[in-house]
Amino acid sequence: GAGVSQTPSNKVTEKGKYVELRCDPISGHTALYWYRQSLGQGPEFLIYFQGTGAADDSGLPNDRFFAVRPEGSVSTLKIQRTERGDSAVYLCASSSQGPPNTEAFFGQGTRLTVV
Amino acid sequence: GENVEQHPSTLSVQEGDSAVIKCTYSDSASNYFPWYKQELGKGPQLIIDIRSNVGEKKDQRIAVTLNKTAKHFSLHITETQPEDSAVYFCAASKDDKIIFGKGTRLHILP
Repeated sequence: GAGVSQTPSNKVTEKGKYVELRCDPISGHTALYWYRQSLGQGPEFLIYFQGTGAADDSGLPNDRFFAVRPEGSVSTLKIQRTERGDSAVYLCASSSQGPPNTEAFFGQGTRLTVV
Repeated sequence: GENVEQHPSTLSVQEGDSAVIKCTYSDSASNYFPWYKQELGKGPQLIIDIRSNVGEKKDQRIAVTLNKTAKHFSLHITETQPEDSAVYFCAASKDDKIIFGKGTRLHILP
């Protein structure tokens, strides 16, 4: 009965480096979401996948951010040339159908610190 | 796009009293309103949700109300207990992305 799994749980990287954050959704869930949460703020939408395709990537802040889900299951969020402002908790969620309106289950997040 | 405002940002209530958190949304087409509870170091967890064709929903000590005309929705927690202490987020969704409020930190005082 595994939930959404995110790895690593913590990541410290130097400014300018490349990082990959992984999300294993609940088995069978077709919809997958990435959010970013800064300290004291609500989760901020980044991108939503339905199956293998990105249905909505309007929340990605710039072209340094990219996400893939090649087989419709595991997803990787990739950040190039990291900046200190990228430091946040990156949350992944999945749901059984996606929109409209089904419960999204969140993982515990990856805390990214850029030094 | 959708914008969700939430208040208060911090709320302290005596154990056993009720807590109310209020939210407003901007997009009248939003039709799904989940509430999440987030404990320290964990991801948000859904506690209750309501759809736009319903005005009120209750689950034990938790209830949510929705006023579509005013674009307001609220979370009510009755008979609060120490384990209710956490950060609560309201959210609104129309099609795909769920847009969150900034959260309310709820403290239950002994």
